[in-house]
Order: sequence, then C-alpha cells, then structure tokens
Amino acid sequence: GENVEQHPSTLSVQEGDSAVIKCTYSDSASNYFPWYKQELGKGPQLIIDIRSNVGEKKDQRIAVTLNKTAKHFSLHITETQPEDSAVYFCAAGTNAGKSTFGDGTTLTVKP
Amino acid sequence: KAGVTQTPRYLIKTRGQQVTLSCSPISGHRSVSWYQQTPGQGLQFLFEYFSETQRNKGNFPGRFSGRQFSNSRSEMNVSTLELGDSALYLCASSLVGGFQETQYFGPGTRLLVL
Repeated sequence: GENVEQHPSTLSVQEGDSAVIKCTYSDSASNYFPWYKQELGKGPQLIIDIRSNVGEKKDQRIAVTLNKTAKHFSLHITETQPEDSAVYFCAAGTNAGKSTFGDGTTLTVKP
Repeated sequence: KAGVTQTPRYLIKTRGQQVTLSCSPISGHRSVSWYQQTPGQGLQFLFEYFSETQRNKGNFPGRFSGRQFSNSRSEMNVSTLELGDSALYLCASSLVGGFQETQYFGPGTRLLVL
C-alpha cells in the first residue's frame, strides 16, 4: 500500500519567516496531494491541494510544489503569522479514492 | 451551511465495552469517511460509506464497524474495546466521495479507554 513520510515532525519559526514541510510518497499511482491544517480541538481543514499534472500551485502565502519523478511534494508558507501555528498533514491519493496521510508536522510561529 | 457534527465529543469507556459514535455530514453530502487519529499512528483510514453502502475499507480489525442511514448520517461502532483504541475519531464528509473531492472534517470524538 501507499506510504507517506512527512518531515519535520516539529518546526519552530519566528513570525515573518518562511516554513517548509516536505512529504515523500511511495505509490507511483498517487496523483492527488492535499494539505490539511489542524488547529487544537478541531478536525483537519483542507488548505491547498495539487494534482499530478501541475508542478506548483500558490494561494496567497501558501504554495505547494510537486516533483512526481522524485515522488515528493512540499508545503511552503511565507511571512508566517502566529495564527499559522497548528499541525499540518500531507496526504497522497489515487483514483481509487483513498488517501494516505503523513504523520503530521507541528508548526509553532513565535511572535 | 452547518458543518460536520460528531457526537459525543468526549467519551470514557473501560476495556471490553463497546461504543457507538455518530456523525452528521454537511447537508447534501452523501459520502462519509471515518479516521482514527493517534499520536503514534497519525491519521488512519477506517472506512467510507456512500448511499448506505461501505465502499472502501482500511486495515482495521472486524471490531470496528460502521453503517450509514438513508439521511447520510453515519455511525461507527467499536466492540470489545482495547486500551489501544484510545484515540480521536474523525469523520469527514464530501458530496459523493469522488476522486480529488474535498473532504470536510468534523471536530472528532475523543475516546479514552481505561
């Protein structure tokens, strides 16, 4: 089955700095890569996603890049703010509809 | 539009008991998926229901079961609880559970097994 590895497990940055979270996947059939943000006491919320026919996607301060050859994708958050502090999950999905999640990254943005 | 709701939010049970968790999807959503979230294992897919039928299943023992009703509300049941079942159980809904369709998660039910 699919295996998704996510690094780092914890990340601490100063407000205004950039944060980068990386994920690798094993199943070459995976072609959908969503990222979720989970705040304390809440369920994960989709923040951005990318399909395999696209190399990069950006939404304001958030961007995701995909390298299908190397089977890895990354989340980039620029100009971080304290409210960006949360747990971030990557996932990889196939046409079968099931997504496999990474173990999560706890991001702390220090004011 | 109301989001995904899950009840109860917190639950304490003892080993050997059984538990039933409930999930009400967003109005109009027909696909409901269940996940188990633990610090050590992350988010693990349990199963997905669509039109009252289980359509996908993860790698969990038969003690974990679920069902979906005609109004798309879903329940999951865990029988003969074990300490390792302590976790946050999340449900997520989407329109038809199609490929690349956005899933909307509920706040979860935190289960503690003593």
